[in-house]
Amino acid sequence: SQKIEQNSEALNIQEGKTATLTCNYTNYSPAYLQWYRQDPGRGPVFLLLIRENEKEKRKERLKVTFDTTLKQSLFHITASQPADSATYLCTWGGSGNTGKLIFGQGTTLQVKP
Amino acid sequence: GAGVSQSPSNKVTEKGKDVELRCDPISGHTALYWYRQSLGQGLEFLIYFQGNSAPDKSGLPSDRFSAERTGGSVSTLTIQRTQQEDSAVYLCASSFDRGVNNEQFFGPGTRLTVL
Repeated sequence: SQKIEQNSEALNIQEGKTATLTCNYTNYSPAYLQWYRQDPGRGPVFLLLIRENEKEKRKERLKVTFDTTLKQSLFHITASQPADSATYLCTWGGSGNTGKLIFGQGTTLQVKP
Repeated sequence: GAGVSQSPSNKVTEKGKDVELRCDPISGHTALYWYRQSLGQGLEFLIYFQGNSAPDKSGLPSDRFSAERTGGSVSTLTIQRTQQEDSAVYLCASSFDRGVNNEQFFGPGTRLTVL
């Protein structure tokens, strides 16, 4: 089956360091991946979309890479801040072009001051 | 409206009762999605609307679940004869159009607890 896998263990880092989160997919070749942020008690918020022909995409302190050979996307937050603490979700649009999202379980990031 | 709104924010019900969950999408968004997030689980797709029609209902877990959308706007998710395993946060999202390039805007969710 088509799956997206994220490291379910929480990631704890020190303020100012770079956080790197991993998303792996199996049994399919997504045309794009999206990353969302979710805070407790809230719905996910869109961060970045990267297409299969884009190796890297940046937005402020965020950077996403897409390696179709490794079937992996990496999500980086540079100069991390305590306010970056949240759960980060990797998704893809599934098949059928309906736009429905298939989510990984998310990785919780905790940035300590 | 400023964003996607959902009501109620919390719903506690007894096993066997029916519940209705409401979603108000962003004005002008033609695509609407319902997802479910159970404790410790990822978000799970339930149903997709384009306008008032639902071309993809593949995620509805059983025939106790149904949804409708009227006027290309408000959507209601109905769960009949609720079971304890239905307890979860139900999230609604809308986007300007379907398809791969459109980010989805999520509401805050309805937390459903079935006793």
